[in-house]
Amino acid sequence: QSALTQPASVSGSPGQSITISCTGTSSDVGGYNYVSWYQQHPGKAPKLMIYDVSNRPSGVSNRFSGSKSGNTASLTISGLQAEDEADYYCSSYTSSSTLDYVFGTGTKVTVL
Amino acid sequence: QVQLVQSGAEVKKPGASVKVSCKASGYTFTGYYMHWVRQAPGQGLEWMGWINPNSGGTNYAQKFQGRVTMTRDTSISTAYMELSRLRSDDTAVYYCATAYYDILTGLQNWFDPWGQGTLVTVSS
Repeated sequence: QSALTQPASVSGSPGQSITISCTGTSSDVGGYNYVSWYQQHPGKAPKLMIYDVSNRPSGVSNRFSGSKSGNTASLTISGLQAEDEADYYCSSYTSSSTLDYVFGTGTKVTVL
Repeated sequence: QVQLVQSGAEVKKPGASVKVSCKASGYTFTGYYMHWVRQAPGQGLEWMGWINPNSGGTNYAQKFQGRVTMTRDTSISTAYMELSRLRSDDTAVYYCATAYYDILTGLQNWFDPWGQGTLVTVSS
């Protein structure tokens, strides 16, 4: 079971929108609506931002949104702010026989 | 509020074992599965497995089968992850994270919240 594929880095200016992709297979991202997204600042624990593809937990800014098409999920950050600079990871349930959950390779978001 | 507090950093020699604890507060300990996820230095996240604190049932990623043991002590709302036969590539920050389980809807497939992490360094 390979990690889900994310771009290594994405950047944008304050106020802009950026989108991070997360590509898997029909055994994970494409097969289930169980994609979640996590934000991780340096030296900190990951924080849940999106669950079940497009649901936002209480307390998470509505500038964060999620979607999915086929085997690719996406996280969009609108109105980019300096505090959004962090690493972002997607995760999906998988029907693999070797593990239940797989994470993405991670994307470094830089606010220019 | 829901909080997970993990034990402190550990330094171990190759071949040794390490046991990391994760103390939960602010919710019913037996109502949430506890996952363990690790992150090697500068690397991504890797799911290791989960324990059902209610039954003690476990499910491990195949990669860790035979080396990992997840247990819990419900009297003190604490989960444990023990990894044996440590190697240098086990050097990582180990996180616990919860997932709600409902008998009608099943296990929620996301991790929230997370503990602060425990750095385990394996070095001779």
